[in-house]
Amino acid sequence: EAGVTQSPTHLIKTRGQQATLRCSPISGHTSVYWYQQALGLGLQFLLWYDEGEERNRGNFPPRFSGRQFPNYSSELNVNALELEDSALYLCASSALTTGDYYEPQHFGDGTRLSIL
Amino acid sequence: QKEVEQNSGPLSVPEGAIASLNCTYSDRGSQSFFWYRQYSGKSPELIMSIYSNGDKEDGRFTAQLNKASQYVSLLIRDSQPSDSATYLCAVRERGSTLGRLYFGRGTQLTVWP
Repeated sequence: EAGVTQSPTHLIKTRGQQATLRCSPISGHTSVYWYQQALGLGLQFLLWYDEGEERNRGNFPPRFSGRQFPNYSSELNVNALELEDSALYLCASSALTTGDYYEPQHFGDGTRLSIL
Repeated sequence: QKEVEQNSGPLSVPEGAIASLNCTYSDRGSQSFFWYRQYSGKSPELIMSIYSNGDKEDGRFTAQLNKASQYVSLLIRDSQPSDSATYLCAVRERGSTLGRLYFGRGTQLTVWP
């Protein structure tokens, strides 16, 4: 079974540009989550999509946005890039939850975004 | 602000020893708890999940949960150099609209031969 796949692996941009990161979840998973992991910092929650809808959003400015497609893949868009956006961006997916228990999230290998 | 705190590292143990990693969380409504392992430059890999009070064992790994104390731990028995990584504690709230995970900063573990 294929895991979560992310593309590109690396992305180099300059300040003010826009970046698009892509994620394909594990087959059968409908939820996609995006996290930012800056150097030396923990994982910070960005966005959660499920069934094509944005379900929750972390404490990030509106220039961080995304969407989920009918096949459950997802895009993360970052506009007006700033130097501090340099980080590893991780996508995770999970299956539908049942009852009070949540299926664990499984991560892709990430996209390393570097802003020059 | 919901917080997940992990014991400060780095933690260094000899090969064959037991490594003990600890995590506390602030939100009593939390229902699901996870331990991830992250090798340097790699993405987090799920190694344990626990939902009920008590112990859960999987091979050399044992997760322990105490909801009354808001405490979750991970024990690694017979530690191996390949266990050297950063271990992330993650907590998920109850509620169908709250799918996010709250992560601790991680504890870096080094197992020396």
